[in-house]
Order: sequence, then C-alpha cells, then structure tokens
Amino acid sequence: GNSVTQMEGPVTLSEEAFLTINCTYTATGYPSLFWYVQYPGEGLQLLLKATKADDKGSNKGFEATYRKETTSFHLEKGSVQVSDSAVYFCALRPDTDKLIFGTGTRLQVFP
Amino acid sequence: NAGVTQTPKFQVLKTGQSMTLQCAQDMNHEYMSWYRQDPGMGLRLIHYSVGAGITDQGEVPNGYNVSRSTTEDFPLRLLSAAPSQTSVYFCASSRRSTGATDTQYFGPGTRLTVL
Repeated sequence: GNSVTQMEGPVTLSEEAFLTINCTYTATGYPSLFWYVQYPGEGLQLLLKATKADDKGSNKGFEATYRKETTSFHLEKGSVQVSDSAVYFCALRPDTDKLIFGTGTRLQVFP
Repeated sequence: NAGVTQTPKFQVLKTGQSMTLQCAQDMNHEYMSWYRQDPGMGLRLIHYSVGAGITDQGEVPNGYNVSRSTTEDFPLRLLSAAPSQTSVYFCASSRRSTGATDTQYFGPGTRLTVL
C-alpha cells in the first residue's frame, strides 16, 4: 500500500544551522510528493512539491528532490531561522485522489 | 478569495451531543476532504468528496457523517460525540478529483474537545 515515513522529532537546531528532515515513501504508480508546514495554531500550508522523479521542489530556502531510486523526498535548508520553527509534514498523492501524510516532524530553532 | 474557511474555531461538547463542523471553499474545487489531527499520528482522512452529491469514506469514518449538496460546502457531522473524537479537524480542497499533482488547500482547523 501507500505510506509515508518521517523522522521523529523534535529536531532542535541553532539559528543558521543546516536542516535535514528525512522522508521516505512506499507507493504504487507515480505519486506526487509534498511538504506541508504547520505554524503554531494554524492550518497546513503547502511548502513545496515535486510531481515526477528527479524533480526538485523549492520555496523559502527549503528544497527537496524526488528520488525514485531511494524512494525519498528529504527536506533541506541551508540556514534555518527562528521563524522556521513549525511542524513539517511529508505527504504523497498517488494516482488516486487521496493525500497520505507522514506523522510530522517538529522543528525548534533557537537564537 | 477567502480560500477554505471553517467554523467554529473551538468547540467543547459533552459526550453524546451532536454537532456539525462547517467547511466552505470559494475556489470552485471539485475535491474536498476532512482530516483529523492527533498527536503522533499525523493527519488521517475521515471522509472525502469528489464532487457535489458524491462522498466516500476515508481511513477513520466511524462516528462521522458528511454530505455535499453544493460544490462550495462540505459539512462534517458528529452524530453522538465521544471523548475519542477530541481532536483538531481540518477541511481541505483541491481543484480536481483525480489530480495527483494538484495542491490541497487547508482551512485553519477546528479544535474540538469532548468531555
């Protein structure tokens, strides 16, 4: 079946540190992959997406590359800020209509 | 565009009470869905709709009913609230019903507590 596995958090970093949040998936067919972000007290917002193998999604300094050979979509940012503190969700949408989420990874950035 | 709106933002119910969570979108999206978010479990799909008059069950449908009489609205009904339904509920929509590349847009959520 289709599923998403994310690294457990919280991830705690100092400002300007390098961020990686791991995400791997299991899927049939050719899914699209997404990263959503949830800031405290808010709903989910799309951060970036990739719709086919080797695509790189990017937004606000965050990047993730769709790696079909390793079934991964790791989220990276070169220099995090305090304002990046949030919960990050990896998700996949297979050829069907449903969006399948990972459990979320909380990121805490300290000055 | 207001996007996806949800009401109420917060609600406290007693066990056995019923209520309806409202969701509306003004983007003329075909696809709408309801999720619940619980600690350590991510978001789980409750019900979804691929167009007006069409609904289907998701991963955790028990205790919830939905209907889709218009493209814009997709209310979620709790028939007899239970403490296990204490959660944060999110409504989402996307343009097409069969679009793997389509982005889902989320509402701000309803925080429900059942005593």
